[in-house]
Amino acid sequence: AQSVTQLDSQVPVFEEAPVELRCNYSSSVSVYLFWYVQYPNQGLQLLLKYLSGSTLVKGINGFEAEFNKSQTSFHLRKPSVHISDTAEYFCAVLIIQGAQKLVFGQGTRLTINP
Amino acid sequence: ETGVTQTPRHLVMGMTNKKSLKCEQHLGHNAMYWYKQSAKKPLELMFVYSLEERVENNSVPSRFSPECPNSSHLFLHLHTLQPEDSALYLCASSQGSSGGWNNEQFFGPGTRLTVL
Repeated sequence: AQSVTQLDSQVPVFEEAPVELRCNYSSSVSVYLFWYVQYPNQGLQLLLKYLSGSTLVKGINGFEAEFNKSQTSFHLRKPSVHISDTAEYFCAVLIIQGAQKLVFGQGTRLTINP
Repeated sequence: ETGVTQTPRHLVMGMTNKKSLKCEQHLGHNAMYWYKQSAKKPLELMFVYSLEERVENNSVPSRFSPECPNSSHLFLHLHTLQPEDSALYLCASSQGSSGGWNNEQFFGPGTRLTVL
C-alpha cells in the first residue's frame, strides 16, 4: 500500500536561511508525488509535482524538490526562506485505482523567524 | 467566482442538528473530493465522485452523506455528528478521465466545523 511519511512535524528556521522538508514514500507501483502548501485559514495550493522525467522539480515561490528513487524520498528545499513562507507543507502520493486519489503525509509546519 | 469555493467557511452545530456543506468548482472538472483535516492527523480522503458517481467511500460513518447533483457541485450533509467530527472539511476537484491521471487537485478554502 502507498504511504507517505513526513519526518518533521515542525521546522523553525531564520529568515533568509535555507530549508529542507523531508518526505519519504512507499509505493509498489509507479510513483507520482506532490508537495502542497497550506497558508493559515486557506485550502491547499500545489507547490510542485513529480510525474516523470527530470528528478529535480522546480515549483512556485522558489521551492524545488528532488525525487530519489533509491532512497524513496522527495524532499522539498528552498535556498533562502522568507517570512511569507510560514505555512504547513504536505507531501502526497497519487494513487490511480479507477479514480485518482491523494494520500497525504502528516504535514510539516514551517515557521520562519526574523 | 473562480477555482473551488466552499460555504460556509465556519459552522458551529449541536449534535442533534442537521446541516450541509457546499462546494462548487468553476474549473470544468469532472471529479470532486471531500477530505477531512483534523489536528495532528494527515488529511483523510472521505469521498470521491467521478462523473457524478461516487467511486470511493473510505469507511466514512453514515452521519456524513455526500451528494453530487452535477459535475460542478458537491454537498456534504451532516446529521447527529459527534464532537470528534470537529475538523476542517476540504473540497477538491480535478480533471480525470481514462488515462488522465496526472492533473492536480484544486482545493477550496475549507469549512471549519465545530460540533458542540
